[in-house]
Amino acid sequence: GESVGLHLPTLSVQEGDNSIINCAYSNSASDYFIWYKQESGKGPQFIIDIRSNMDKRQGQRVTVLLNKTVKHLSLQIAATQPGDSAVYFCAENTMTNFGNEKLTFGTGTRLTIIP
Amino acid sequence: DSGVTQTPKHLITATGQRVTLRCSPRSGDLSVYWYQQSLDQGLQFLIQYYNGEERAKGNILERFSAQQFPDLHSELNLSSLELGDSALYFCASSDISGSTDTQYFGPGTRLTVL
Repeated sequence: GESVGLHLPTLSVQEGDNSIINCAYSNSASDYFIWYKQESGKGPQFIIDIRSNMDKRQGQRVTVLLNKTVKHLSLQIAATQPGDSAVYFCAENTMTNFGNEKLTFGTGTRLTIIP
Repeated sequence: DSGVTQTPKHLITATGQRVTLRCSPRSGDLSVYWYQQSLDQGLQFLIQYYNGEERAKGNILERFSAQQFPDLHSELNLSSLELGDSALYFCASSDISGSTDTQYFGPGTRLTVL
């Protein structure tokens, strides 16, 4: 069945260090991937996305890398700050049983920034 | 603040009851998506509406239904509630139909079924 999973459920990083959150996806037909951040008590917040015709995309302090060969996605956060503490989800577009597209989310990685 | 609003923030009800969750999309967004987030299932797509019409369906239970009104707000109706329906329910919106468009999430409604 479909699955988008994360290698590490929790990650602790010292403030100021860089962090890498990994995600494995199973659907080789997926052509769009997104990273969301969810802080406690809030809804998921869009961070960055990437299409399958790209290997890398950079935003402000964040970089997403896509390796289609091994179906792997990663989110790099540079110079982490306390506000980066949250659960991070990767998501891919997949097909529903009804033939429509939808986003399938991974289980999430909890990132904790240590002051 | 994403611009997506959801009411109520919390809802406590009993098994067998019916509840309605409400969502107002960002100004100008035509698509509304509903998701369920539970501890054991993660974030699961339920259903999408675009400009008043159903556009995509996930593994939504038959006890659940949704609609999008002419003013583009949406309601998710949950009936014959079971303990396992306790979860966070999120609404998201985007400005163009299709899962490849950035979805902006609301703050969610926490449903507790006792």
